[in-house]
Amino acid sequence: AQSVTQLGSHVSVSEGALVLLRCNYSSSVPPYLFWYVQYPNQGLQLLLKYTTGATLVKGINGFEAEFKKSETSFHLTKPSAHMSDAAEYFCAVSSQGAQKLVFGQGTRLTINP
Amino acid sequence: DGGITQSPKYLFRKEGQNVTLSCEQNLNHDAMYWYRQDPGQGLRLIYYSQIVNDFQKGDIAEGYSVSREKKESFPLTVTSAQKNPTAFYLCASSIVGSSRRETQYFGPGTRLLVL
Repeated sequence: AQSVTQLGSHVSVSEGALVLLRCNYSSSVPPYLFWYVQYPNQGLQLLLKYTTGATLVKGINGFEAEFKKSETSFHLTKPSAHMSDAAEYFCAVSSQGAQKLVFGQGTRLTINP
Repeated sequence: DGGITQSPKYLFRKEGQNVTLSCEQNLNHDAMYWYRQDPGQGLRLIYYSQIVNDFQKGDIAEGYSVSREKKESFPLTVTSAQKNPTAFYLCASSIVGSSRRETQYFGPGTRLLVL
C-alpha cells in the first residue's frame, strides 16, 4: 500500500528565505508523486508532479521538487519565499490500481515579513 | 473556461437530514472523485467513478452515497448515517489513462456544517 508522510504540520520562514517542505513516501510500485497547494477555503491546485525521467521537477510559482528514490523522498523547495506563498501544501502519491491519490497530512506554510 | 464547479459553497445540515453536494465538470474527463478534508488529516477518498453508471467506494464511504448518471456530474449525498459530517468536501476529475500518472483537477469545495 502507498503512504505519504509530510514532516512538519507548520513551517514558518521569513520573506526571501529558502522554503523547504519535506515529503517521504512508501510505495510498492514505482511512485508517481504530486505536490498541490491550497489557499484558504479553496480547492487544490497542482504545483508539480513527477512521473518518470528527470528527477528534478520544476513547477509553477518558482517551486521545484527532487525525487530521490534511495531516500524515498520528494521534498519541495523554493529559493526565495514570497508573502503570496502562504498556503497549505499537500504531497500525494498515486495509488496502485485505480487512479487514486494518497495524500499526506499537509504542511501549512507561513511567511514572516 | 473549462473547469469544475461545486455548489453550494456552504451547506448547513440539520440532525437526521440528508443533503446533496453538487459537482459538475466540463473538462470531458471520464473519472471523478470525492474527497473529505479535515484539519490535520489531509484528504481522504470517499467515492470515485471512472465511467458513467459505475462507481467504487473509497476509504471512508460509510454514510455517503453517489450517483453517476452523466459524464459531467457526480453528486454526493451525505446521509443521516454519517454522524460527523462537518468537513470541507472536494470534488476532482481526471482523464483515465493507461497509467497512474494522470493529474487530478479540483473544484473549489463545499463546506458542510451541522446545525
